[in-house]
Amino acid sequence: QVTLRESGPALVKPTQTLTLTCTFSGFSLSTSGMCVSWIRQPPGKALEWLARIDWDGYKYYSPSLKTRLTISKDTSKNQVVLTMTNMDPVDTATYYCARTIDDSSAYTDYWGQGTLVTVSS
Amino acid sequence: SYELTQPPSVSVSPGQTASITCSGDKLGDKYACWYQQRPGQSPVLVIYQNNKRPSGIPDRFSGSNSGNTATLTISGTQAIDEADYYCQAWDRSTEGFGGGTKLTVL
Repeated sequence: QVTLRESGPALVKPTQTLTLTCTFSGFSLSTSGMCVSWIRQPPGKALEWLARIDWDGYKYYSPSLKTRLTISKDTSKNQVVLTMTNMDPVDTATYYCARTIDDSSAYTDYWGQGTLVTVSS
Repeated sequence: SYELTQPPSVSVSPGQTASITCSGDKLGDKYACWYQQRPGQSPVLVIYQNNKRPSGIPDRFSGSNSGNTATLTISGTQAIDEADYYCQAWDRSTEGFGGGTKLTVL
């Protein structure tokens, strides 16, 4: 059974750095084709893809947010960490981590419940 | 990121067929996925690799992708299908989501 759970602060101040942890089970990020993605959704708005890390260590970032994002993994702990620097109120959103499968095409088949992050002073 | 365009809303009567489109440059050369998101819930994958259904997704959900347009089709639409639907595709190592389509069953 695949599960993912996001954890991190619910409230951050403008200019601070956000650190979110995704703890997962039911699969290994050292298995070929396994990836973990981060996606966010501002209240009432559309999904926005942020970043992805693959089983082989490759990392991909949204071009518009690339300078602010860092994704990393700890395979032994089944965790993926996303950091986003210089937070702004427009970054207020529900942040999801999800499992992505890459086997000639990429699709995201399991999602966490999401964690709401509010950026406010 | 890869830009995908969806209609903001689609309406359908119960039992009828709903079609939701997703447009992107040369989208037919890529694989498209579709996600369903009900209010207050996480997205659920309903179609991947253009036309494949994950286990547990009813066969009334189908997909196609050609040219610049991918289409999600829901046959015999039911009230429980009322939700937001998002398309997604990869292009040049970045992922794009469509803006979402609110499906209303009335």
